Amino acid sequence: NAGVTQTPKFRVLKTGQSMTLLCAQDMNHEYMYWYRQDPGMGLRLIHYSVGEGTTAKGEVPDGYNVSRLKKQNFLLGLESAAPSQTSVYFCASSYSRLAASGEQYFGPGTRLTVT
Amino acid sequence: AQSVTQLDSQVPVFEEAPVELRCNYSSSVSVYLFWYVQYPNQGLQLLLKYLSGSTLVKGINGFEAEFNKSQTSFHLRKPSVHISDTAEYFCAVSGNSGGSNYKLTFGKGTLLTVNP
Repeated sequence: NAGVTQTPKFRVLKTGQSMTLLCAQDMNHEYMYWYRQDPGMGLRLIHYSVGEGTTAKGEVPDGYNVSRLKKQNFLLGLESAAPSQTSVYFCASSYSRLAASGEQYFGPGTRLTVT
Repeated sequence: AQSVTQLDSQVPVFEEAPVELRCNYSSSVSVYLFWYVQYPNQGLQLLLKYLSGSTLVKGINGFEAEFNKSQTSFHLRKPSVHISDTAEYFCAVSGNSGGSNYKLTFGKGTLLTVNP
C-alpha cells in the first residue's frame, strides 16, 4: 500500500495563478483532510470531507476550494494564488470517526511558494 | 471547541538525557488526545494516543504520555533520548462526541533537538 500520496511535492506560483493539489489514498478511508503548516502555527485545517461527494470548511478555508468526486481522491484548488498562501500543505485520511481508528494518516506534503 | 497549548516551542537536550514535552488542552467536552511526530521534510506520524482507560499510554520509539484530567494535560516523556529523536512534536486533541470527534486540533509544535 502506498498510503497517502500527494502531487506535486514542490511548486512555485506567481500571484494570481491557479493550481490544484492532488491527494490520493489507497486505504479505503472515508474521511480526508487538507491542512496547511506554517512556522510557529502548527497545522490548521483548511477543508475536510466525510465521504465521497461531500466537503466542509475547516478553520482557514478562504482562498481555497476542494472536491471529492472519488472516494480515494481529495483535490485542493487555489483559484488565484496569493503570497499568504505560501505554505506546506498536508493531506490526511482516516478510516472513520477517530474513536474507532484513533489515527489520521498523513501524506508527505506539498511545499508551495507564491511569489 | 477545543484548543491545545504546547508550552515550549523548542527543547534542546543532550543525548541519553530524559525529556518532557508539555501539552495542555481546553475543551467543553471529553477528549481524545494524540501526539504526532514530524521528522525533517516528512509528514506527520502517530506516536501515541489516549482514547480511554489507563491514563498512562505507551507509544512507539520508547515514548509515553500521561493523561491528567484535573490538570488538563497530556505531557510526553522519554527517559533517554537519541539523536534520531530530533524532530518536531505536535500534541492534538479531538472531542469524543457529536460532530467534533473526527477533527483534530493541533498545537503549534515543539522542536526537540538532541545534541551529542
